[in-house]
Amino acid sequence: GENVEQHPSTLSVQEGDSAVIKCTYSDSASNYFPWYKQELGKRPQLIIDIRSNVGEKKDQRIAVTLNKTAKHFSLHITETQPEDSAVYFCAASDSGGGADGLTFGKGTHLIIQP
Amino acid sequence: EAQVTQNPRYLITVTGKKLTVTCSQNMNHEYMSWYRQDPGLGLRQIYYSMNVEVTDKGDVPEGYKVSRKEKRNFPLILESPSPNQTSLYFCASSYSGGVGIQYFGAGTRLSVL
Repeated sequence: GENVEQHPSTLSVQEGDSAVIKCTYSDSASNYFPWYKQELGKRPQLIIDIRSNVGEKKDQRIAVTLNKTAKHFSLHITETQPEDSAVYFCAASDSGGGADGLTFGKGTHLIIQP
Repeated sequence: EAQVTQNPRYLITVTGKKLTVTCSQNMNHEYMSWYRQDPGLGLRQIYYSMNVEVTDKGDVPEGYKVSRKEKRNFPLILESPSPNQTSLYFCASSYSGGVGIQYFGAGTRLSVL
């Protein structure tokens, strides 16, 4: 099955700086890569996603890049703000072959220092 | 309001006492799934269902059962709970299966003594 590795497990950055979280996946058939944000005590919510036919996607301060050859994808947050503090999860999904599971990384706790 | 509803939100039980966590969605989604969240291990998929009467194992299905008799409901059943099933459980639904936006419920915190 799919295996998703996520790094770092904890990331502390100064407010206004950029943050980068990296993930690798094992199954070359995976074609969908979402990122979820989970604030303390809340449910995970999608913040951005990318499909395998696209190399980069941006949404305001958030961007995701995908390198299919190397099987890794990254989340970039620019001009970080206190409300960006949360746990971020990457995931990978393969909808081919009749299977449709979603495998998450272990999460990155992002801390924004004032 | 579009939502995924789980019940109960909190549950304390004892080893071996069968329990069911309910999950219901009002978005007419075909795909539903269950995850458990444990510190340092992230979200791990237990079971998923691509449609009524169609279920499949995720990464950690041992000790769990599910059923999908109706499109809106996807209960998680622990026939004989054990302490290692103490966890935070999330139900989710999606319009486009595993490759679509997952809408999560608020979570159920389960403690098995």
